[in-house]
Amino acid sequence: GALVYQYPRRTICKSGTSMRMECQAVGFQATSVAWYRQSPQKTFELIALSTVNSAIKYEQNFTQEKFPISHPNLSFSSMTVLNAYLEDRGLYLCGARDRGNSDYTFGSGTRLLVI
Amino acid sequence: GDSVTQTEGQVTVSESKSLIINCTYSATSIAYPNLFWYVRYPGEGLQLLLKVITAGQKGSSRGFEATYNKETTSFHLQKASVQESDSAVYYCALSGSNTGYQNFYFGKGTSLTVIP
Repeated sequence: GALVYQYPRRTICKSGTSMRMECQAVGFQATSVAWYRQSPQKTFELIALSTVNSAIKYEQNFTQEKFPISHPNLSFSSMTVLNAYLEDRGLYLCGARDRGNSDYTFGSGTRLLVI
Repeated sequence: GDSVTQTEGQVTVSESKSLIINCTYSATSIAYPNLFWYVRYPGEGLQLLLKVITAGQKGSSRGFEATYNKETTSFHLQKASVQESDSAVYYCALSGSNTGYQNFYFGKGTSLTVIP
């Protein structure tokens, strides 16, 4: 079946440093990868959507300069939180889908704590 | 814009009682929205509970059901008799194409606690 793995599961970084998280699709081709952040007491906000052979589309309030994303092939994507601060803490979720499938398969998320 | 609004916060229901979690959506830039319910059990990732891609249709899974109502833009989740194992966070979600991208939006989540 289609699975998405995210790692690390949880991480702690010092304020002002950067943290990279990864998303691996298994059993299908991750033509599109969506990255979300769930801040405390909030919903999953879409950060950006990456589609192979297309530009990465960032949502309002999120920028490439802050959340650079790499999507080098059909099974892997990574996102870095640059210069992390307290407001960046939360659960970062990766979802991936194949071109012919409207359903996203989600990973378990990377929980980021900033100290 | 495109968004999802659902019953917020925590809902507590006694075992074997009925449940309804409200969900309404706004799909101003998505021509043919698809609607989903996801569930997140403690310590686990998001799991697809059910989905409906055609207005007027009903989806069902594990005793849960939801009907895609285009007139009221609603997709309420219902279960006739909940079990303690249904305790989890439930997310209503909306998906659809916009400018070539397949966007996906979540509601804020509803935390369900079923008490024995």
